[in-house]
Amino acid sequence: QVQLVQSGAEVKKPGSSVRVSCTASGGSFSNYPLNWVRQAPGQGLEWMGGIIPSFRTATYAQNFQGRVTITADESTSTVYMELSSLRSEDTAVYYCARDRSHIVSQQGWFDPWGQGTLVTVSS
Amino acid sequence: EIVLTQSPATLSLSPGERATLSCRASQSISSYLAWYQQKPGQAPRLLIYDASNRATGIPARFSGSGSGTDFTLTISSLEPEDFAVYYCQQRSDWPPITFGQGTRLEIK
Repeated sequence: QVQLVQSGAEVKKPGSSVRVSCTASGGSFSNYPLNWVRQAPGQGLEWMGGIIPSFRTATYAQNFQGRVTITADESTSTVYMELSSLRSEDTAVYYCARDRSHIVSQQGWFDPWGQGTLVTVSS
Repeated sequence: EIVLTQSPATLSLSPGERATLSCRASQSISSYLAWYQQKPGQAPRLLIYDASNRATGIPARFSGSGSGTDFTLTISSLEPEDFAVYYCQQRSDWPPITFGQGTRLEIK
């Protein structure tokens, strides 16, 4: 049973960048897409993008194009999400979530999820 | 971008009652819809995928139906632990993957 463990909470200044990590254990890593989803306080879920670690090519939501970079390190089973040019509206809990399937036609459903990382952007 | 609209925003029911939650897509998404449950302070949990398939470990009281643009999540008899926020999500036309705004299921 794969588990995803994320890095700890961050407090950042507007205009800076943040990098959040997500480490997988107990299951397959390289061939399963790993996605990032964020949730602003009291709000819904927003998909940011994802990566298949073995392919090393990420796909991003248009809303975050140019500001987000998702990378993977197969040697440590870790995926990273870096968000730049932070503003107060980026204050949110950031989740990583693995696809439940490595089969392309069955991808797009997220299970399991990491515990979430709170990123606070404040001057 | 496909927009998912969930209704109602809030549903107030008692334990033992039947819950029916709706999700409507802005265009046909075939059966490419999932449902998630989220409790306060927790990550979402996958309940249903491909509109009607229960995820591993999900109780049989949860069921999903629908195709095209209209989908339903039904909880046949509410248990105390079922009161939470529920989100639908589509993967038909992505990127982007999109979520509905959520339905809060509260105890009456």
